[in-house]
Amino acid sequence: AQSVTQLGSHVSVSEGALVLLRCNYSSSVPPYLFWYVQYPNQGLQLLLKYTSAATLVKGINGFEAEFKKSETSFHLTKPSAHMSDAAEYFCAVSEDNQGGKLIFGQGTELSVKP
Amino acid sequence: DAEITQSPRHKITETGRQVTLACHQTWNHNNMFWYRQDLGHGLRLIHYSYGVQDTNKGEVSDGYSVSRSNTEDLPLTLESAASSQTSVYFCASSQGALTGELFFGEGSRLTVL
Repeated sequence: AQSVTQLGSHVSVSEGALVLLRCNYSSSVPPYLFWYVQYPNQGLQLLLKYTSAATLVKGINGFEAEFKKSETSFHLTKPSAHMSDAAEYFCAVSEDNQGGKLIFGQGTELSVKP
Repeated sequence: DAEITQSPRHKITETGRQVTLACHQTWNHNNMFWYRQDLGHGLRLIHYSYGVQDTNKGEVSDGYSVSRSNTEDLPLTLESAASSQTSVYFCASSQGALTGELFFGEGSRLTVL
């Protein structure tokens, strides 16, 4: 069965510092992988997705993630954190080629200190 | 603009009552989903549908039901609300195969007393 583990329920960084949010997946077939962001009192928005094309995926707001099959990882990074990046981030996996049936990780809350 | 709307946004109910949360999307998406969000658990899939008259159980479907009579709507019903169903519920839709992108509503916060 597919699953996702996000390491660290809460990450705090200083403004301008590197953001690294960790995600490891388990899947019996080549997975489709996603990162979503949730701002307070809102639904989730897609940041980026991996669908077996390039292993380095660029998303919105300067975020990117690298698919590493050997490590079963899909970590999210951003070189320089901004105050507006404070939100909750979810990694998700799908094996379903009909689209959209995602299994989500537990989420990581990112805080950005001035 | 196309959108997905949930109602009510907030509801308080009592144990044992039937509750229905509405979800309406104007994207004409075939796929629709209901998730619940709880601290420490992320989002867990309750039910989903790949088209009219199609419904499927997710990982936490006990105590919930859905029906899909048209493309636009997927109402979620709690037959007999329990305190364990206090949560934030999100409806989402997607276009179809391999796109992967879910479009989420703003959520419905349900409290069961």
